[in-house]
Amino acid sequence: QVQLVQSGAEVKKPGASVKVSCKASGYTFTSYGISWVRQAPGQGLEWMGWISAYNGNTNYAQKLQGRVTMTTDTSTSTAYMELRSLRSDDTAVYYCARGDAGGDYWGQGTLVTVSS
Amino acid sequence: DVVMTQSPLSLPVTLGQPASISCRSSQSLVYSDGNTYLNWFQQRPGQSPRRLIYKVSNWDSGVPDRFSGSGSGTDFTLKISRVEAEDVGVYYCMQGTHWPPTFGGGTKVEIK
Repeated sequence: QVQLVQSGAEVKKPGASVKVSCKASGYTFTSYGISWVRQAPGQGLEWMGWISAYNGNTNYAQKLQGRVTMTTDTSTSTAYMELRSLRSDDTAVYYCARGDAGGDYWGQGTLVTVSS
Repeated sequence: DVVMTQSPLSLPVTLGQPASISCRSSQSLVYSDGNTYLNWFQQRPGQSPRRLIYKVSNWDSGVPDRFSGSGSGTDFTLKISRVEAEDVGVYYCMQGTHWPPTFGGGTKVEIK
């Protein structure tokens, strides 16, 4: 069965970077892209960007351009999302999802807390 | 960016009764290929979002048939024919027609 398993919770200081992983199984990794979506505490869903697992092409939300990088490792069927220059308003649960938008399978989420 | 507006914000429903959630987009969601990329998600408390409906009215695997999606252009609706206790949570519409994908603000379904 399709599964996306994400890395564990992180606590970071303002200005630091975080890298969240998303390990896929149960399907051919390179046949689908991976989207990243975040959810601030008590808030709605925000699409962050997408990466093609086939060729590594990316498309990022404009507000995160320059701070976010999405990559994949096809040898381990793992996608990564790195966010730099963290601010307090980056505190959120970060989800990976299979597909370019509106993914059909989602990871369990990774809580990233940014606090001094 | 396309703005997705959901209503109501909160929806108290009696068990066994129907429920309806509206979602309106600021632009038509008909893509050049003729498809309309409007999805509905359910997020139960403490869980990840789960896609229920894709391309307006298509069920994802395992979704009960008491859920249905309809609409066209800029106006869309998610209906639950008979609400069950497990349906409690927040429901989001999301458009994938125009880049970047955007979500509605969510509708919280609760039991009266």
